[in-house]
Order: sequence, then C-alpha cells, then structure tokens
Amino acid sequence: KAGVTQTPRYLIKTRGQQVTLSCSPISGHRSVSWYQQTPGQGLQFLFEYFSETQRNKGNFPGRFSGRQFSNSRSEMNVSTLELGDSALYLCASSEGQGKTDTQYFGPGTRLTVL
Amino acid sequence: AQSVTQLGSHVSVSEGALVLLRCNYSSSVPPYLFWYVQYPNQGLQLLLKYTTGATLVKGINGFEAEFKKSETSFHLTKPSAHMSDAAEYFCAVIIPGGADGLTFGKGTHLIIQP
Repeated sequence: KAGVTQTPRYLIKTRGQQVTLSCSPISGHRSVSWYQQTPGQGLQFLFEYFSETQRNKGNFPGRFSGRQFSNSRSEMNVSTLELGDSALYLCASSEGQGKTDTQYFGPGTRLTVL
Repeated sequence: AQSVTQLGSHVSVSEGALVLLRCNYSSSVPPYLFWYVQYPNQGLQLLLKYTTGATLVKGINGFEAEFKKSETSFHLTKPSAHMSDAAEYFCAVIIPGGADGLTFGKGTHLIIQP
C-alpha cells in the first residue's frame, strides 16, 4: 500500500496570507490527524478527523482549521499567517479512531512564512 | 494534562555500544506509550508501542522498551548501536478515551560515533 502523502512538500508564504495543505491517507484508513512541528515547541497535536467529522482539537487558535472529505483525504487551512506559523506540518492516518491504532505519518509539508 | 519528558536532547554512543534513550511521563491515568523515529526530511516512523499486556515490548530494528508503571517510565534500548540508527527519537503518550492526539516529548537526537 502507498503511504501517507502530503502536498505540497514545501511552501513559502508571506504574513497575512492563507494556506491550504493536503493529506491523502493510506488506503482504507478513515482517521486523519494533523501535527505541527517546530524547533521551539516540538510536536503538537492540531486536530483529528474521522468520517468527515472533527473529533478532537488541540490548543491552537481558530486561524487553524481543517476538513475531511468522503474519501478520507484531509486538508488543513491556516488563515492570516504569522511568522510563528513557520513549521513542518505532519499528517498521520490510522485505520480507526481507537487510541491503540498506530498512526502512520506522512513526510510533512514545510511551511515558511516571510 | 499529560506530559512527556525525554532526558537528554542529544545522546552520543559508539557504534556497537548499548543505546539507552530515557522517557518519563506524567498522566492521571495509565497511558498508551509509543516510540517514533524521525530521519532527516522525513515523517515519523513507529518503532514500538505499549498498550496492554507484557511490559517489555519489542519493536523494529532491534529496539525494545519496558513500561515501568511505578517509575512512570518507558525507556528505549538497543543492545548494539549501528550507524543507521542516527536519527531523532520521540517518545509519545496517548490517553485511553481522551480527547487529545499523541503528546510528544521534545525528542532525543541520537549520534553514533564510528
């Protein structure tokens, strides 16, 4: 099976712009989670989607949003970009929403905000 | 809220020596525990996980970890380091029935000396 794919791999934006990142989960996986990775804060949970519904959300401002489509593909959107949003954004998929389910990570999208 | 502490942001060992990466957690309920590895410019790969049952867990690439409830620890070990083990290692927890995704430690950069 193909792994988790994320597009684009690299992105450069300027402050105030918005950005949309895409994640295609492993075939058959219905749960998608998003994480932000920065040198200062490390890996932080953004949100989780299952069957097109947001199940859980981390401690991030409302500028961060996402959605999941019927084919389980997911997008996350960041509006009004700030310099501090520069990070590696990782998507992970799992078969179900059980806490024991292994999350398989994609390679990430590197976002740079200038 | 749960938290994860990884002792040592950098650990250096000689090739062939024992690898020991430390992880301690804080949680109001027994969590599920995970170790992930991240190679440069890649996503995270699961090494092993503990959910229930035997407290000594064996993973890929010769790694293993032991869950010690009394010490709230989940240290990662490998008897003999290989140059290919050089990477960033993350310990993570997730709470059964909780609302959050994975909570990660800050990571430990493993350096292998020839």
